[in-house]
Amino acid sequence: KNEVEQSPQNLTAQEGEFITINCSYSVGISALHWLQQHPGGGIVSLFMLSSGKKKHGRLIATINIQEKHSSLHITASHPRDSAVYICAVEVDSNYQLIWGAGTKLIIKP
Amino acid sequence: AAGVIQSPRHLIKEKRETATLKCYPIPRHDTVYWYQQGPGQDPQFLISFYEKMQSDKGSIPDRFSAQQFSDYHSELNMSSLELGDSALYFCASSLVSANSPLHFGNGTRLTVT
Repeated sequence: KNEVEQSPQNLTAQEGEFITINCSYSVGISALHWLQQHPGGGIVSLFMLSSGKKKHGRLIATINIQEKHSSLHITASHPRDSAVYICAVEVDSNYQLIWGAGTKLIIKP
Repeated sequence: AAGVIQSPRHLIKEKRETATLKCYPIPRHDTVYWYQQGPGQDPQFLISFYEKMQSDKGSIPDRFSAQQFSDYHSELNMSSLELGDSALYFCASSLVSANSPLHFGNGTRLTVT
């Protein structure tokens, strides 16, 4: 069993839909990252969470430490949101990341 | 705001050649991390540096070496390149003392032919 599990692996939705990507982990963590990887591989860090909820524009990330679960939400999705979204956890402050497999999101116009 | 800068963006080398990848962290960040992502693979941690000293080592081949310089930029040196070294190499930086998030560069795509 992978230490970081993301679901779904693939998601196709229509423009404007509300999107949720889930991440569950089984190890003790110091922080959880949500990252966005575009075709060509460039990675953008979206959020770093250790508790609660963060919002940036149309993106919202939440984490429940007790349940070892995090969600990334996209409101009013747009085709430019199409990318791979990766959940990665920092394991107890040693700064090595354990990466989820990523969720490939396609937003159709 | 300044981000993590990696150079070059793309690099094409032949087998058995050497390559040097550079990473310029966000100013005042004290820690640099290198990751390798092969085609269709999850990114793999290679090595990290804190205050110019190697701090952690992951799945970095013996053919690779890395260092962090006095200006905190880091270089990943890769020798005797193999076809399997073709990958995207990411660098990230953070400020450990402030528990800052990891900031990633856009990566260097290395193709070995």
